[in-house]
Amino acid sequence: GAVVSQHPSRVICKSGTSVKIECRSLDFQATTMFWYRQFPKKSLMLMATSNEGSKATYEQGVEKDKFLINHASLTLSTLTVTSAHPEDSSFYICSARTREGAYNEQFFGPGTRLTVL
Amino acid sequence: SQQGEEDPQALSIQEGENATMNCSYKTSINNLQWYRQNSGRGLVHLILIRSNEREKHSGRLRVTLDTSKKSSSLLITASRAADTASYFCATDARGSNYKLTFGKGTLLTVNP
Repeated sequence: GAVVSQHPSRVICKSGTSVKIECRSLDFQATTMFWYRQFPKKSLMLMATSNEGSKATYEQGVEKDKFLINHASLTLSTLTVTSAHPEDSSFYICSARTREGAYNEQFFGPGTRLTVL
Repeated sequence: SQQGEEDPQALSIQEGENATMNCSYKTSINNLQWYRQNSGRGLVHLILIRSNEREKHSGRLRVTLDTSKKSSSLLITASRAADTASYFCATDARGSNYKLTFGKGTLLTVNP
């Protein structure tokens, strides 16, 4: 149980294009999903918190017009990197918090490697 | 130091030995979690310890929490080559609205 999937696992795009990344909780309903960014050999940095049916909350320094987040259902959140540039190349990971999770146990997706040429 | 900072940054041991990683944090927490990440992969949840717990076991893993020192340790006993990965602690600070703050991680290499 508690499986989170991400799609695609890897994407290469040209500068200026937009890329959508999906995060799904496969066997549970996720009250909240989180989006992280990870640079090589670095830790995870929280980008935003996504609650079903409401606007995402972005961390300081994260451009909400650049990183569009939609949490359309209790099992799906999407992150769209708009007008991507090479500096947006990174490893993006989502996590989902179970609705029944009393202790904030979060389950992570396998990540999406974005390379912007 | 940052919230959830691990040490050592890198640890290399022989198969069969025990590996101990430490994590320090700054604020009051609801709980602390340890995760493992293999290179280029997502995070695997290992164990969660609540702020009112002092020690927890799961298989070959032993986690301790000392809230007075704001520190935690992860012990992996009888290590295997497959344990080679980066290990992160993550804290759930009180009032953070369930956000996790990750440390920089410890890269563990277990040599066969």
